[in-house]
Amino acid sequence: ETGVTQTPRHLVMGMTNKKSLKCEQHLGHNAMYWYKQSAKKPLELMFVYNFKEQTENNSVPSRFSPECPNSSHLFLHLHTLQPEDSALYLCASSQGLAGADTQYFGPGTRLTVL
Amino acid sequence: GQNIDQPTEMTATEGAIVQINCTYQTSGFNGLFWYQQHAGEAPTFLSYNVLDGLEEKGRFSSFLSRSKGYRYLLLKELQMKDSASYLCAVMDSNYQLIWGAGTKLIIKP
Repeated sequence: ETGVTQTPRHLVMGMTNKKSLKCEQHLGHNAMYWYKQSAKKPLELMFVYNFKEQTENNSVPSRFSPECPNSSHLFLHLHTLQPEDSALYLCASSQGLAGADTQYFGPGTRLTVL
Repeated sequence: GQNIDQPTEMTATEGAIVQINCTYQTSGFNGLFWYQQHAGEAPTFLSYNVLDGLEEKGRFSSFLSRSKGYRYLLLKELQMKDSASYLCAVMDSNYQLIWGAGTKLIIKP
């Protein structure tokens, strides 16, 4: 495996379900990110981890819960979601948080909340 | 608030040149990024400008002139596979990327 991988690629869940999204990066990076991408809207940064420590939480509802057990893995735990949470969830990683540290994205999880 | 503006959609002909502009209002500036995103796929990195000047990578070039207010992505010799969304993002003073909504580029034969 190379780059950034995400599983599952597609997920349909009811509002009462609990599910988790997984992201793994094979680039040796230290920073990892969760983004939400809705149609025709800018990417919304949700969480940032640097060296396993959370550095950003952009006012994300508590029904989204991130977990970063090590620098290579990032999870997003989902529970009691709303239909408006349906979107593409992208994971990214970068060497660090500096200006020139390019973010590399995974293929995303297309989430549909019924 | 912070925001990035770029055209919602552009149409161009195969073999032609297209310029996608990006304007921004952010708290500070630590570089401007361009990403390409094909439908249903992840954004992929194209270029990064932090100093004024031109960055060239094959048929794609990105230009930045902060003093003159020019920031654009230039695509030459367009091919059908260039049909995609092009995302502009600026890194602010907190080293957080602020994203535009993307420009959907449609290439016609």
